[in-house]
Amino acid sequence: DIVMTQSPDSLAVSLGERATINCESSHTVAFESSDKNYIAWYQQRTGQPPRLLLYWASIRESGVPDRFSGSESGTTFSLTITNLQPEDVAVYYCQQYYAIPYTFGQGTKLEI
Amino acid sequence: EVQLVESGGAVVQPGGSLRLSCETSGLSFGNFTMHWVRQLPGKGLQWVCLINRDGTTTHYIESVKGRFTLSRDNVKNSLSLQMNSLRPDDSGLYYCVAGGIFDHWGQGNLVTVSS
Repeated sequence: DIVMTQSPDSLAVSLGERATINCESSHTVAFESSDKNYIAWYQQRTGQPPRLLLYWASIRESGVPDRFSGSESGTTFSLTITNLQPEDVAVYYCQQYYAIPYTFGQGTKLEI
Repeated sequence: EVQLVESGGAVVQPGGSLRLSCETSGLSFGNFTMHWVRQLPGKGLQWVCLINRDGTTTHYIESVKGRFTLSRDNVKNSLSLQMNSLRPDDSGLYYCVAGGIFDHWGQGNLVTVSS
């Protein structure tokens, strides 16, 4: 199974500042014939189901503010949230959908 | 508006069975791969299984193979998960999820396996 390891497990950032969450995959998550990384990011607020934020590592889902962005470097992927807002308090998960079983990172708790 | 509504969760003894259902609306159900993802209270997410659009192919996480069976009804726009020989580590909040890229999630339904 592909193991997804997020860092840090938690972080506290001030309002208006930037938060970066990293996710390392134990295996490549892109086919040689494609330059797409099969990586998604989700936001889960307390008491809510996860919400898709980004897919293909950096494509924002419809309705997601452009404060959320994704990047990649090899098998390490990052979610960056700029101009942090109170509603961004949540747990964030990365996920690979390259190979079954699809696997998630352990989650990163973001606090203000 | 897309809605996925799970039902069927309960408290059951180890070795027991449950059938989870997911009723959908607001999406072209037959065009979506469907999944179940579970979450232990206060813990992370675990993908459990998927079924392709026409119901001909299913995949399961290793720990549930032979015990769980996923099916769909593209006329009734619904998904079902038959869970047999339940174990305590099957406990969790089970989410019905639509899409190859997990676009849409239900609110979840709680399954507790305990004696």
